[in-house]
Amino acid sequence: QVQLVQSGAEVKKPGSSVRVSCKASADTFNNYPISWVRQAPGQGLEWMGGIIPMFGTTNYVQKFQGRVTITADKSTNTVYMDLTSLRSDDTAVYYCARDGSLTESFFDYWGQGTLVTVSS
Amino acid sequence: EIVLTQSPGTLSLSPGERATLSCKARQSVSSSYLAWYQQKPGQAPRLLIYDTSSRATGIPDRFSGSGSGTDFTLTISRLEPEDFAVYYCQQYDNSPWTFGQGTKVEIK
Repeated sequence: QVQLVQSGAEVKKPGSSVRVSCKASADTFNNYPISWVRQAPGQGLEWMGGIIPMFGTTNYVQKFQGRVTITADKSTNTVYMDLTSLRSDDTAVYYCARDGSLTESFFDYWGQGTLVTVSS
Repeated sequence: EIVLTQSPGTLSLSPGERATLSCKARQSVSSSYLAWYQQKPGQAPRLLIYDTSSRATGIPDRFSGSGSGTDFTLTISRLEPEDFAVYYCQQYDNSPWTFGQGTKVEIK
């Protein structure tokens, strides 16, 4: 059974950092890339980047370069997304999602989402 | 990056009617690497279609996808009450992967 279970909601101050976790089932962690997609309130979907957990290979959207880091912990089958220098427009629901394969980045399974609120 | 434009923004239809949603890319999606998702309020998106026309696991056959190059279409042959939602297209031909802005299908 494919599972992606995310950490809970966060409230952060502007300028601070947030870490969101995504615990994957073993088969997913070992065989598929995992991406992060965010959705601001009332807005559409935005891909931020992804990782191939077994290799640690990452790919980021240029817009987030320098602010986002995606890592994977093989001992717990968990992928992390760290976002630094938070601004109010980073307020969004953050989803982890499984890529369809190593070569096809549609997203066939999604975590439940983590709301990150950035407010002073 | 490949910009995707969906139309219409909102589609007002009745149950049983046919829905036709458009997704146009500013440049060619050359490998037909286009997907469609459904999202309901408070829920994560659900994959409907990948590779332009392949239905994801468990998706009813009233959902179909077509197109090539820059023009893609999602068709819902007969709307069921549970189909009223927001639909997004996504290209994964050229990184960064991008989404359209969404089409809301609402009950008329």
